[in-house]
Amino acid sequence: DAGVIQSPRHEVTEMGQEVTLRCKPISGHNSLFWYRQTMMRGLELLIYFNNNVPIDDSGMPEDRFSAKMPNASFSTLKIQPSEPRDSAVYFCASIPQEGSYNEQFFGPGTRLTVL
Amino acid sequence: KQEVTQIPAALSVPEGENLVLNCSFTDSAIYNLQWFRQDPGKGLTSLLLIQSSQREQTSGRLNASLDKSSGRSTLYIAASQPGDSATYLCAVKAAGNKLTFGGGTRVLVKP
Repeated sequence: DAGVIQSPRHEVTEMGQEVTLRCKPISGHNSLFWYRQTMMRGLELLIYFNNNVPIDDSGMPEDRFSAKMPNASFSTLKIQPSEPRDSAVYFCASIPQEGSYNEQFFGPGTRLTVL
Repeated sequence: KQEVTQIPAALSVPEGENLVLNCSFTDSAIYNLQWFRQDPGKGLTSLLLIQSSQREQTSGRLNASLDKSSGRSTLYIAASQPGDSATYLCAVKAAGNKLTFGGGTRVLVKP
């Protein structure tokens, strides 16, 4: 199993540009999570999906952020327009199914720098 | 609102010494607690998962305990090695399938 796959691994962009981060969960996993990690705020949950449906997006910072999961094997997190304060590492994670018994498996992250 | 705290923020020990990492949480209504390891520039690797009904979990040199009533968990790493140097994070899962993370403890094991 290849684990959770994220792309790109690094992204450098200029303020105002659109950024799209991609995630492929582990095959067969039904729940997918997007996190953001910064020095100041640590790891924060942005949004999670169950069976491709967004369940809780209360962590999404503002309307500039949007996430989609068009099918069970692909999700995107989009920032438009990007701002320097969006610079962070964005992680995607997945679990086999919703429930308390499953550990989350994390991808390697995308390091985003907005200049 | 659940808050998770890890103290100390950083720890340096000589090789061979046992490591003790602490995690505390404010709301005891949790489903489980998970310990992760994060190497610089890398993602998170799950180490141990303790269900709310369990008191401890063990894997090799790692042992994690959970005291839900007092809102505490401790990760013990026996006979530390330089390869154990990393940041260790704990996270609790409560209602809504959310994980709330602590700030992490950065560990350095000196040869």
